[in-house]
Amino acid sequence: DQQVKQNSPSLSVQEGRISILNCDYTNSMFDYFLWYKKYPAEGPTFLISISSIKDKNEDGRFTVFLNKSAKHLSLHIVPSQPGDSAVYFCAGLDPRSGSARQLTFGSGTQLTVLP
Amino acid sequence: DSGVTQTPKHLITATGQRVTLRCSPRSGDLSVYWYQQSLDQGLQFLIQYYNGEERAKGNILERFSAQQFPDLHSELNLSSLELGDSALYFCASSVDSSGNTIYFGEGSWLTVV
Repeated sequence: DQQVKQNSPSLSVQEGRISILNCDYTNSMFDYFLWYKKYPAEGPTFLISISSIKDKNEDGRFTVFLNKSAKHLSLHIVPSQPGDSAVYFCAGLDPRSGSARQLTFGSGTQLTVLP
Repeated sequence: DSGVTQTPKHLITATGQRVTLRCSPRSGDLSVYWYQQSLDQGLQFLIQYYNGEERAKGNILERFSAQQFPDLHSELNLSSLELGDSALYFCASSVDSSGNTIYFGEGSWLTVV
């Protein structure tokens, strides 16, 4: 059961343009969402997060939008830079299971920013 | 289900104690990665093993150690536990050592009291 889906395994964008990475989820109990970026041979690094009580969170060039009714999350990168080329994971956090809170990750989207 | 299995799913232990977290990678994957997740610090890479050998090391404390066994499962040992070690510990695996496509387990939630 894929609770978090990133349906685009890859995305190519021209430098300076906007990159939009999408994420859909099925678990309506997620109350917190995170995006991670991962370069080859490195561990994923935390990028940006959003609480389910918000619909937008912005940090520099990165903005995450949450549409709870559609169970859809998106990450916008403006302007895109070649150094943004990486795999991006979205993840949802479920507050159930007692004190355990477990992240459920999507499978990732490989973003390539072309110079 | 990513195919990466982690046990236990959650545990509570006291400060000063030692715990071992176990990870079974996806069938056919040779690389195993360990991460520590806390909400205020995001996901931090700890260490990577590839086919039994240490391949990369990240922000892993000296009190922590890991190994990958001949059957490719891995264990993360956490000793002299402190309150700040409370976190979600992820294992992930990939077929090769590049890490381009990694599959995460569901995590082991450690609470140190």
